[in-house]
Amino acid sequence: AQKITQTQPGMFVQEKEAVTLDCTYDTSDPSYGLFWYKQPSSGEMIFLIYQGSYDQQNATEGRYSLNFQKARKSANLVISASQLGDSAMYFCAMRELNFGNEKLTFGTGTRLTIIP
Amino acid sequence: AAGVIQSPRHLIKEKRETATLKCYPIPRHDTVYWYQQGPGQDPQFLISFYEKMQSDKGSIPDRFSAQQFSDYHSELNMSSLELGDSALYFCASSSPQGAGAKNIQYFGAGTRLSVL
Repeated sequence: AQKITQTQPGMFVQEKEAVTLDCTYDTSDPSYGLFWYKQPSSGEMIFLIYQGSYDQQNATEGRYSLNFQKARKSANLVISASQLGDSAMYFCAMRELNFGNEKLTFGTGTRLTIIP
Repeated sequence: AAGVIQSPRHLIKEKRETATLKCYPIPRHDTVYWYQQGPGQDPQFLISFYEKMQSDKGSIPDRFSAQQFSDYHSELNMSSLELGDSALYFCASSSPQGAGAKNIQYFGAGTRLSVL
């Protein structure tokens, strides 16, 4: 089974609007971390935001916030007031926080295009 | 702030040749990770090292090997290259803060390997 599912292959959003990128995950581990990364066309992978499974509040980092619904196993990324520079591929990832497991498991990504 | 440095940024090799990719982690980070991202794919975990010891292993081919040196830099050695090895290879680094820590992985800009 897919551990991370991103159901939106591509999205087009008008500049200055808010956008929500969907991510659902699957794990039986009670301790895990959820991450969002941005990959512009230049190729680098940029860390955006982190949410721990035991965190009581949704994570926020500037214009980025994570809508964490644990019971639904979803961790949607919300970008407020979108900008042209937000056009990129966005990956949701998870790390199960058990000893010896270091890897991030990524979803297939969502390509976001901001329209002027 | 200093980031993860990868070299070379681009590499072109022929089939059956060897390649060595280098990674210099963020200062004071002692864990490095290697990921492979094929065209249009999400990154796949290859291997990680903590304090110069292998800490986790993913779907790394037997033709590939890696190590972490005393100055914490890491090298990924790839032999008998195949056309399917053409990909973007990322190195990431993190600073563990104890068991279950969020352990954010910060990625380098990647090495784009083309096998002809």
